Amino acid sequence: EPEVTQTPSHQVTQMGQEVILRCVPISNHLYFYWYRQILGQKVEFLVSFYNNEISEKSEIFDDQFSVERPDGSNFTLKIRSTKLEDSAMYFCASSAGTGVYEQYFGPGTRLTVT
Amino acid sequence: KNQVEQSPQSLIILEGKNCTLQCNYTVSPFSNLRWYKQDTGRGPVSLTIMTFSENTKSNGRYTATLDADTKQSSLHITASQLSDSASYICVVRVRIGGNKLTFGTGTQLKVEL
Repeated sequence: EPEVTQTPSHQVTQMGQEVILRCVPISNHLYFYWYRQILGQKVEFLVSFYNNEISEKSEIFDDQFSVERPDGSNFTLKIRSTKLEDSAMYFCASSAGTGVYEQYFGPGTRLTVT
Repeated sequence: KNQVEQSPQSLIILEGKNCTLQCNYTVSPFSNLRWYKQDTGRGPVSLTIMTFSENTKSNGRYTATLDADTKQSSLHITASQLSDSASYICVVRVRIGGNKLTFGTGTQLKVEL
């Protein structure tokens, strides 16, 4: 069964450093998303991406964040200058369509900022 | 503000027993409601998706109900198994925007022998 994959599974970085989280969505999917979950809290939407453009972003997704689909398979989330409060689990998801289409989540990347 | 509230926050049941988890939402305009299961340290996995016209939907031992008038949903788990121990999250999609999902805080279920 096709699945969303994410690398690395765990990333430790120092405050102020740039990090890139990588995702490989399901191959025939067209819609891509990033969510985050701070330890003990609920999952929060960051950004949705379709047709090489951001279709929606949350207040969390400020100028420090960017997304890119550099080739036909990868979808990346870049945090330019990490802060302590960026420490969280970051989930990538993809879907074949909108509406009632299921969003399939990857296993997550745990980002720890020290 | 779009919100999804769940109860109880946590629940412990014995293996083989049934349980029901509750969800109330204030999301508008409503598109659909989903229940996800999330194992510790893993990504959420979809259990059911319901639109406003659907009152009930089953997936094996999981049965979800939706009352779009009162904006309430429930997830009933039958004959629980140890592997059902996880967080169960109620998630709502609004009918506008870029397909983002609004997550509840989840009910942490533990099934014991």
